Amino acid sequence: AQKVTQAQTEISVVEKEDVTLDCVYETRDTTYYLFWYKQPPSGELVFLIRRNSFDEQNEISGRYSWNFQKSTSSFNFTITASQVVDSAVYFCALSGYGQNFVFGPGTRLSVLP
Amino acid sequence: NAGVMQNPRHLVRRRGQEARLRCSPMKGHSHVYWYRQLPEEGLKFMVYLQKENIIDESGMPKERFSAEFPKEGPSILRIQQVVRGDSAAYFCASSRGDQARGNEQFFGPGTRLTVL
Repeated sequence: AQKVTQAQTEISVVEKEDVTLDCVYETRDTTYYLFWYKQPPSGELVFLIRRNSFDEQNEISGRYSWNFQKSTSSFNFTITASQVVDSAVYFCALSGYGQNFVFGPGTRLSVLP
Repeated sequence: NAGVMQNPRHLVRRRGQEARLRCSPMKGHSHVYWYRQLPEEGLKFMVYLQKENIIDESGMPKERFSAEFPKEGPSILRIQQVVRGDSAAYFCASSRGDQARGNEQFFGPGTRLTVL
């Protein structure tokens, strides 16, 4: 069975602080995909990143960076110099090859001015 | 290039009524997934459909819920005799089903169902 754990239910930081959101996953598949989505207060899901299991290269996109560690089954997400607009619920998700998504419970990030 | 479209965006029903949620996948996509997000929770898979076929309905409640994706027209998620516990956001996602690209799903904006 596939499972995604996001142990941090809520995080509060002050603007300009760095923050890391943790994601740990379980799967028996050798081919799988990991995702991060942002859900702002408006409710839609905003795609942030997709990573396949064969690509362990870390990725940086502006203030966002992702650390994929297959050895620890983790796919952590770091926001550098956080801003108030980063306040949202962030979901990590896992998908097997050609299968539906399994979402984590989400981490609510509040960035205070 | 329109993304995944869902309507209505907000739906209010009284207990016992029927709710119909529609999802139009992205152009060129023939696979549709429905997910439910209860308040303050993550998204939970409900059903996976291809045109005219239900591929996986392991996440669908056994009663009152049904889904279809006809040859023509949008996918429909139907909830009969709604109860307050059905109040949630329902998200639809679509994909090309092209395994070479992995399982890249694109999500719609969601339909927020409120049962009074």
